[in-house]
Amino acid sequence: NAGVMQNPRHLVRRRGQEARLRCSPMKGHSHVYWYRQLPEEGLKFMVYLQKENIIDESGMPKERFSAEFPKEGPSILRIQQVVRGDSAAYFCASSPPGQGTEAFFGQGTRLTVV
Amino acid sequence: GESVGLHLPTLSVQEGDNSIINCAYSNSASDYFIWYKQESGKGPQFIIDIRSNMDKRQGQRVTVLLNKTVKHLSLQIAATQPGDSAVYFCAEGGGYNKLIFGAGTRLAVHP
Repeated sequence: NAGVMQNPRHLVRRRGQEARLRCSPMKGHSHVYWYRQLPEEGLKFMVYLQKENIIDESGMPKERFSAEFPKEGPSILRIQQVVRGDSAAYFCASSPPGQGTEAFFGQGTRLTVV
Repeated sequence: GESVGLHLPTLSVQEGDNSIINCAYSNSASDYFIWYKQESGKGPQFIIDIRSNMDKRQGQRVTVLLNKTVKHLSLQIAATQPGDSAVYFCAEGGGYNKLIFGAGTRLAVHP
């Protein structure tokens, strides 16, 4: 059973370009969470999705950021018109249905905006 | 706002000693608390969790203590090894897995 898979592991974008980060949850997991981590800081919650539904996006910036988790395929975190401040590590976690169950994290995508 | 914070940003210990990493939280409504280990360039790795109705839980070489009176959480690592060197985060959660992470403590184990 493969773990949570994120790709790419490293992504470099120029200011103004779009960044697409992908997350394939563990098999059997229908809940996906995205977190952002700045250097030397803890992870900050961004969004929680279930298949085809955004459940909680209270941590997402209001502009330029969007997330989806389609019926088929990976979850996508999309950042439009990236700025230097978007440079961070973006982690995805997944969990099976149910409350309070352990979430498993992927290895993250390190986005660098130049 | 509600937050989870840590007392010590860096902890240096000798190999074989016991390590204690502390964490303060402010949301008394959290259902559970989790300790994660994060090695450089990797994602957080689950270590141990504890429900809010418990005050102690033990795992392999690790023990988590929860003091709800003073909203304090600690992680004890017995016989610390070089492989334990990492950044440790406490996190609190409730309901679904929307976790609030602390800033982290770097544990450095010296031979």
